[in-house]
Amino acid sequence: DTEVTQTPKHLVMGMTNKKSLKCEQHMGHRAMYWYKQKAKKPPELMFVYSYEKLSINESVPSRFSPECPNSSLLNLHLHALQPEDSALYLCASSQDRVNGYTFGSGTRLTVV
Amino acid sequence: GENVEQHPSTLSVQEGDSAVIKCTYSDSASNYFPWYKQELGKGPQLIIDIRSNVGEKKDQRIAVTLNKTAKHFSLHITETQPEDSAVYFCAATDTGFQKLVFGTGTRLLVSP
Repeated sequence: DTEVTQTPKHLVMGMTNKKSLKCEQHMGHRAMYWYKQKAKKPPELMFVYSYEKLSINESVPSRFSPECPNSSLLNLHLHALQPEDSALYLCASSQDRVNGYTFGSGTRLTVV
Repeated sequence: GENVEQHPSTLSVQEGDSAVIKCTYSDSASNYFPWYKQELGKGPQLIIDIRSNVGEKKDQRIAVTLNKTAKHFSLHITETQPEDSAVYFCAATDTGFQKLVFGTGTRLLVSP
């Protein structure tokens, strides 16, 4: 299995809702990432987990809460988002911190 | 930290022509330079990468060259096809923070 699987593919949520994005990989990668991508922009790093521990938080607002339950799963919990948080949320994994990222197809999030 | 510049922002070529995308980086300690292709509605896909101890790498119609002295690297696509149309991102390692830093992207359009 050489894929990173993200669910759901599309999500529409209100500003008072709580939702979660899920990411799964079975490549034995020990680093996992959340990225945010706005239209016509490069991916923007949010969080890095290395060996299931949070190692980088790029000053992301607390309304985004990551979780790594085990080495194959990564969640992003969303609460009280703003319309400007609407974007494509990408999960990625890699064998180590910088080499050979594999990206998922992303979750297209719309906050209304 | 690392800064990556990418040019051009858009590139239009005829089918069969060659396409070249250029990136410069600032961190002289960077040692890994991947290129990603992102099609509409999908996550970025790693297409080729190069490490700092190598000057050139080829994979069928794509090649990457690296000039460490000048701190720039380039993606070369020969015999372009319409299915090469996508957004291409270069990236380089930020050795201080152990993460990838992406360029701003190049939208490549190959016309039949």
